[in-house]
Amino acid sequence: EAQVTQNPRYLITVTGKKLTVTCSQNMNHEYMSWYRQDPGLGLRQIYYSMNVEVTDKGDVPEGYKVSRKEKRNFPLILESPSPNQTSLYFCASSLDRDSYEQYFGPGTRLTVT
Amino acid sequence: GDSVTQMEGPVTLSEEAFLTINCTYTATGYPSLFWYVQYPGEGLQLLLKATKADDKGSNKGFEATYRKETTSFHLEKGSVQVSDSAVYFCALSRNSNSGYALNFGKGTSLLVTP
Repeated sequence: EAQVTQNPRYLITVTGKKLTVTCSQNMNHEYMSWYRQDPGLGLRQIYYSMNVEVTDKGDVPEGYKVSRKEKRNFPLILESPSPNQTSLYFCASSLDRDSYEQYFGPGTRLTVT
Repeated sequence: GDSVTQMEGPVTLSEEAFLTINCTYTATGYPSLFWYVQYPGEGLQLLLKATKADDKGSNKGFEATYRKETTSFHLEKGSVQVSDSAVYFCALSRNSNSGYALNFGKGTSLLVTP
């Protein structure tokens, strides 16, 4: 089954404790992206990657890092989480930069206390 | 910059009622337009899309027409069902030197009651 998976689905952590949210897709997609969803703000892009070892900032990259060492994986790293990063995070992928249809993972709900 | 504005919810309708969710956009160039749906506890799924002016996207009884003259992409369905209860997002494509992504509206929550 074609899908985007994220882990963990739920995470409660404390300020400053490094964490990684994993994202994996099994569709051989080139393009992957991370979004955060906040009430009243909709979805905002954090980082994106057009292919292996090619990443770039989205609209709200501060406080986040990403890496793309393999085509299927695109982890989101919070080196020192803060409460304002409490949010619902979605990973998405699409075939390539010319394919606008994005496939979304189920989401990761992160709470930073 | 490019942006999407959609009507605020929540929208509550009775089963078999007619649905319209308004969406207007601001963009330079000619973006593609999308409607995504998010069912409770799930990620977003593409519902329909239109890539140029006057195109009509349709899926599962939902329709939306790309209107360049009014910069709109309103979502419609003739007869909603309880299973259509979800959050609906209008979005446009953005492809520029600064990034490649979808710009989403804030979402409209729809609740359909039996």
